[in-house]
Amino acid sequence: QVVVTQSPSASASLGASVKLTCTLSSGHSGHINYAIAWHQQQPEKGPRYLMNVNSDGSHIKGDGIPDRFSGSSSGAERYLTISSLQSEDEADYYCQTWGTGIPVFGGGTRLTVL
Amino acid sequence: EVQLVESGGGLVQPVGSLRLSCAASGFIFSNYAMHWVRQAPGKGLEYVSSISATGGSTFYANSVKGRFTISRDNSKDTVYLQMGSLSGDDMAVYYCARGLSSNWYFLDHWGQGTLVTVSS
Repeated sequence: QVVVTQSPSASASLGASVKLTCTLSSGHSGHINYAIAWHQQQPEKGPRYLMNVNSDGSHIKGDGIPDRFSGSSSGAERYLTISSLQSEDEADYYCQTWGTGIPVFGGGTRLTVL
Repeated sequence: EVQLVESGGGLVQPVGSLRLSCAASGFIFSNYAMHWVRQAPGKGLEYVSSISATGGSTFYANSVKGRFTISRDNSKDTVYLQMGSLSGDDMAVYYCARGLSSNWYFLDHWGQGTLVTVSS
């Protein structure tokens, strides 16, 4: 089973950039090739799909997702970079992949915009 | 515009049952897999169940297997989650989500959720 690991928290200043990390692990090396999805959940709201990030670093964003959001990859790590941070970017960010036929979520990273 | 609207949540007693519904609009419902994901108070997202576009295949998290049943009615653009033998561990906001057309494991649209409270 694939395990998705995220740091519980991150912080960055208004107008700055931040890079969130999602680490994939499993009992075999196949997870290195797994694509993931990033989801954003603002306070008191439902989640919103941001993008898919493939193992080669290519990414496909969801409808209406600003250019400030981008994805990348390195080995078993998948990244979400948010540039020109705005107050509304303060949210929980979840990494999601799949394993044994079902979606698998990471524990989420709470981003604080200072 | 894709819209997913959950309903059916509420207060239920332990070991009771509840059926959630998710009404979809803005896309050809019968072409997409659908999912249920839940979030306990103050916790992260937890996968619950999935159903293929035709309804022919269903999947469950181990924590709900044998107690929950997912189904869909493509003539009504609605997906359901029948929940039984409920306990405090099932108390959560339940979200309906659509699977990505290119890879149904990934969820590309979410509803606003419906709250299930389990208490006597």
